[in-house]
Amino acid sequence: SQTIHQWPATLVQPVGSPLSLECTVEGTSNPNLYWYRQAAGRGLQLLFYSVGIGQISSEVPQNLSASRPQDRQFILSSKKLLLSDSGFYLCAWRETGSGPQHFGDGTRLSIL
Amino acid sequence: GENVEQHPSTLSVQEGDSAVIKCTYSDSASNYFPWYKQELGKRPQLIIDIRSNVGEKKDQRIAVTLNKTAKHFSLHITETQPEDSAVYFCAASGGTGRRALTFGSGTRLQVQP
Repeated sequence: SQTIHQWPATLVQPVGSPLSLECTVEGTSNPNLYWYRQAAGRGLQLLFYSVGIGQISSEVPQNLSASRPQDRQFILSSKKLLLSDSGFYLCAWRETGSGPQHFGDGTRLSIL
Repeated sequence: GENVEQHPSTLSVQEGDSAVIKCTYSDSASNYFPWYKQELGKRPQLIIDIRSNVGEKKDQRIAVTLNKTAKHFSLHITETQPEDSAVYFCAASGGTGRRALTFGSGTRLQVQP
């Protein structure tokens, strides 16, 4: 069966520091991969998605970037975090084509 | 691009009553409509989904209906229980040129014991 791993679970970072969140999927090949951000009490904002290695689509221009160095690995990065980057970051995967999307457990990021 | 609107934003019902959450979508090419339940501090989890070739789908106390002509779909929860309290999100996908789900803004359901 397929599983998705996301880490760390919680992270506290100072303003201006870099960020790297990692997500890996097991048990499937060539999945579509996604990064979402959720502010407290709000909806799901799609940040990036990828349909293959090295292929990244950005939904919202900001100081974040994403990379997909391997088929089942998706990384969210920032060179300098802003206070507004605080939130609950969720990675998700989906089989190629249409179908259910499955979320990781998320990373709760607090910027001080 | 696709736009999904969801209402109500909050819904309070008595235990045992039914709850209905409605969503509309804008892209007539969308063909897949999932519903997610998110408990406080946790990830969204898929609870039911429907494809555009089906008008209704039921799984125990949960059902989803789809009206392609009107471009709206609804989640129905019967005999609600306190553990149904959560935020529910609808979503749509399959539309032209888009490979990600477009989510509604969410409905906070509170089931009063």
